Amino acid sequence: NAGVTQTPKFQVLKTGQSMTLQCAQDMNHEYMSWYRQDPGMGLRLIHYSVGAGITDQGEVPNGYNVSRSTTEDFPLRLLSAAPSQTSVYFCASSYSAGVGEKLFFGSGTQLSVL
Amino acid sequence: GESVGLHLPTLSVQEGDNSIINCAYSNSASDYFIWYKQESGKGPQFIIDIRSNMDKRQGQRVTVLLNKTVKHLSLQIAATQPGDSAVYFCAENPPGATNKLIFGTGTLLAVQP
Repeated sequence: NAGVTQTPKFQVLKTGQSMTLQCAQDMNHEYMSWYRQDPGMGLRLIHYSVGAGITDQGEVPNGYNVSRSTTEDFPLRLLSAAPSQTSVYFCASSYSAGVGEKLFFGSGTQLSVL
Repeated sequence: GESVGLHLPTLSVQEGDNSIINCAYSNSASDYFIWYKQESGKGPQFIIDIRSNMDKRQGQRVTVLLNKTVKHLSLQIAATQPGDSAVYFCAENPPGATNKLIFGTGTLLAVQP
């Protein structure tokens, strides 16, 4: 099973460039989310979605946009990249948005903004 | 804001010994806690979870203990193996109906042969 697939695995951007990090899951999960992981810090929630057409902000949403047009896909958009967005990004999904639902993570996208 | 923290950033153990990784959480109303394992270059992988109405839960070679009085969570790994070398994160789910986890900063477990 593919599980949660993230692309690309690595990306280098210049300040001000835009890009989209892709996330797809094949488990028919309703809940999807994006986290960023910085050195010495835990994963922090950026945005999440409880179902197609529904998105909401997490702890650190500024500078990022998301949409959820299908159950399978949950792309994360950086409209104007900044060096502070250099991080490793993880997409995660679970069967539902309920507390206690096991989160499955992708393998991550390492992003560097110069 | 609420946070989840770890007492030891790095833990070095001998192969075959038991490992104990500790975590402190600050939201006394959190009702669900999870331990994740993250190997280099990979995403976090679920290990074990526990709800706030329990104080102990056992899995295969792993045990999670929850002490709500002092807001403390621990992960015990029995007979630690080289394959257990990784960063371990605890996470809590604050009150609410949405699966929004707050992660700790992580502990690196290094298993010495």
